[in-house]
Amino acid sequence: NAGVTQTPKFQVLKTGQSMTLQCAQDMNHNSMYWYRQDPGMGLRLIYYSASEGTTDKGEVPNGYNVSRLNKREFSLRLESAAPSQTSVYFCASSRSLGEQYFGPGTRLTVT
Amino acid sequence: GQQLNQSPQSMFIQEGEDVSMNCTSSSIFNTWLWYKQDPGEGPVLLIALYKAGELTSNGRLTAQFGITRKDSFLNISASIPSDVGIYFCAGSDSNYQLIWGAGTKLIIKP
Repeated sequence: NAGVTQTPKFQVLKTGQSMTLQCAQDMNHNSMYWYRQDPGMGLRLIYYSASEGTTDKGEVPNGYNVSRLNKREFSLRLESAAPSQTSVYFCASSRSLGEQYFGPGTRLTVT
Repeated sequence: GQQLNQSPQSMFIQEGEDVSMNCTSSSIFNTWLWYKQDPGEGPVLLIALYKAGELTSNGRLTAQFGITRKDSFLNISASIPSDVGIYFCAGSDSNYQLIWGAGTKLIIKP
């Protein structure tokens, strides 16, 4: 039981490049989330998917798109990376309202 | 939007000391959660609280859901070196989003 897995662990992009961050969970959870965490700050929600087939914007969605591929997988895409998107990105999942379980994070640097 | 005030921002502790931290909100929550994050890792759920007044323990950790439903407290008894890290509170109302505190950083006194 791996829980929540994220790939890649580290990534360096040049401004304007695109990339997709992958997330998968094996806990049969309905809801999945993408957060970003900047140095010394808490977590900010980018997008979430309450259930398979639905996605909704969180607090900071600009510059990102998401896809809920199936119940297990939820990907985050940066179409044209900007230095302001340098951050650590966490994926999380939950069975219902409340308790969320997190992956290990993707550390992204945009130069 | 909704905000959580988490305090203190940081604490210096000596091994064996008890530690207290808290979160307050301007809104009512149905659920309070406490997480710990170690450097380079994702947050790990420590305690979940679902009922006003509820007091729940997890080993040396004890958390309480405030009676007003607008606050929560986390206590760590007899701290040990592996307790260092950042502790986050999070509250949930009736939708799928969690509102997060900014974190309390626990540091061991040299």
